Amino acid sequence: DAGITQSPRYKITETGRQVTLMCHQTWSHSYMFWYRQDLGHGLRLIYYSAAADITDKGEVPDGYVVSRSKTENFPLTLESATRSQTSVYFCASSRAGANEQFFGPGTRLTVL
Amino acid sequence: KQEVTQIPAALSVPEGENLVLNCSFTDSAIYNLQWFRQDPGKGLTSLLLIQSSQREQTSGRLNASLDKSSGRSTLYIAASQPGDSATYLCAVSPLTQGGSEKLVFGKGTKLTVNP
Repeated sequence: DAGITQSPRYKITETGRQVTLMCHQTWSHSYMFWYRQDLGHGLRLIYYSAAADITDKGEVPDGYVVSRSKTENFPLTLESATRSQTSVYFCASSRAGANEQFFGPGTRLTVL
Repeated sequence: KQEVTQIPAALSVPEGENLVLNCSFTDSAIYNLQWFRQDPGKGLTSLLLIQSSQREQTSGRLNASLDKSSGRSTLYIAASQPGDSATYLCAVSPLTQGGSEKLVFGKGTKLTVNP
C-alpha cells in the first residue's frame, strides 16, 4: 500500500555535486513525472516518462537527467547542482490516457 | 502557451461558510482539469478530475465545475471546516502540448478556515 514514495525527503548538498532523487511507485502506472515547486512559479514539469526507456523534456529540463529502466522507478539526477536548483521536487504517476496524477510526498533539496 | 491563473492567492473565511475558488485558463483546448489540495510540507492530493466533456464533478462537500468555452473552473466547498485549510491548486491537461498526460498548474489559492 506504499503508492508513490520519494527518497530522500530532505537533502542538503553543495554547488557542483551530483545528486540523485529517487521515485518509486507500486501501481504499475505507465506515466511518471518530475516537477519542481518554487515560490512565485508554482509547479513546473521537469521531465516525464511514458514507459520504461521512454523519457521526454518538460518545461524546465536544463541541468537535470532522468532514466527509467524499470516501470516502477524514475530517478532524477542533478549532474552538477546549482543554487538555483534549490527547490521542492515532486514525483507523480498516472495511467495512460489523461487520468489523474498521483503525487509523492516531495523532496526538499537545498544547494549551498 | 497555456497559462492557468488562480485568484485570489489567499482567502480567509469563518468556519461554516460556503466558498468558491476560481481557476481560469487561457486555451480552451484541454483534455481535463484537476483540482488538488496541498497541505504545508506535504505532497499534492487529487480532489476532483473533470474531463473536457463534463460540466461538473462532485465529491462529498466539494463540487467542481468546468466551463471550457470561457476557460473557467470553480471549486465549491460547502460548510467549510478548519480541516479544509490548505492550498488548492488547479491544473489543466492541454491538448496542444504533445500529449494528454502533462499538466499545467496554477499557483494556487491558500485557504484558511477560522474556527
